[in-house]
Amino acid sequence: DTGVSQNPRHKITKRGQNVTFRCDPISEHNRLYWYRQTLGQGPEFLTYFQNEAQLEKSRLLSDRFSAERPKGSFSTLEIQRTEQGDSAMYLCASRLGLAGGWTDTQYFGPGTRLTVL
Amino acid sequence: QKEVEQDPGPLSVPEGAIVSLNCTYSNSAFQYFMWYRQYSRKGPELLMYTYSSGNKEDGRFTAQVDKSSKYISLFIRDSQPSDSATYLCATIIQGAQKLVFGQGTRLTINP
Repeated sequence: DTGVSQNPRHKITKRGQNVTFRCDPISEHNRLYWYRQTLGQGPEFLTYFQNEAQLEKSRLLSDRFSAERPKGSFSTLEIQRTEQGDSAMYLCASRLGLAGGWTDTQYFGPGTRLTVL
Repeated sequence: QKEVEQDPGPLSVPEGAIVSLNCTYSNSAFQYFMWYRQYSRKGPELLMYTYSSGNKEDGRFTAQVDKSSKYISLFIRDSQPSDSATYLCATIIQGAQKLVFGQGTRLTINP
């Protein structure tokens, strides 16, 4: 399977705990995105990496959230001191960005569903 | 007001019907328009994308963009039960990285 993969697929945690999610993008895709999707809503942008550099962060990404892409391949999203409002599907997407503009679209993984009790 | 508005439905139609799904947007800087399909508890899957105004056809699916009225449509002909899913419209400004999604319309095709 050469698509975007995410682990774990489901995570149940208690309020106040820290959680970490992993995303493996499509091989050679240099751009990686995190989105959050709550029930009945469309995905909302959280952050974007080009290779290992985090170039854009949404206001939705509070101080409790941190994302990394240490070697420009996989990425992790950590949420510290989880709150019930963090319960959502966390989606990762990747894209092959080429010089000269927008040439392709973002391909999404299956998501990690987080439930904070 | 959200940048992209989409009727959440739910929409239920009989098999074989023509389905029309619609979105409106507010930012005239949006230039690329996409439709994603999302099955329950799965990630969004790209169906079609178009640039600027016009129509694009792919099998039973037709995407239509009218930039003058800021209106995006997806038509599904000869709808099948396997088309039952949530359909998300999305758009992006050229050169930007952030996809902006509508709320999604939940569609059910009844056999």
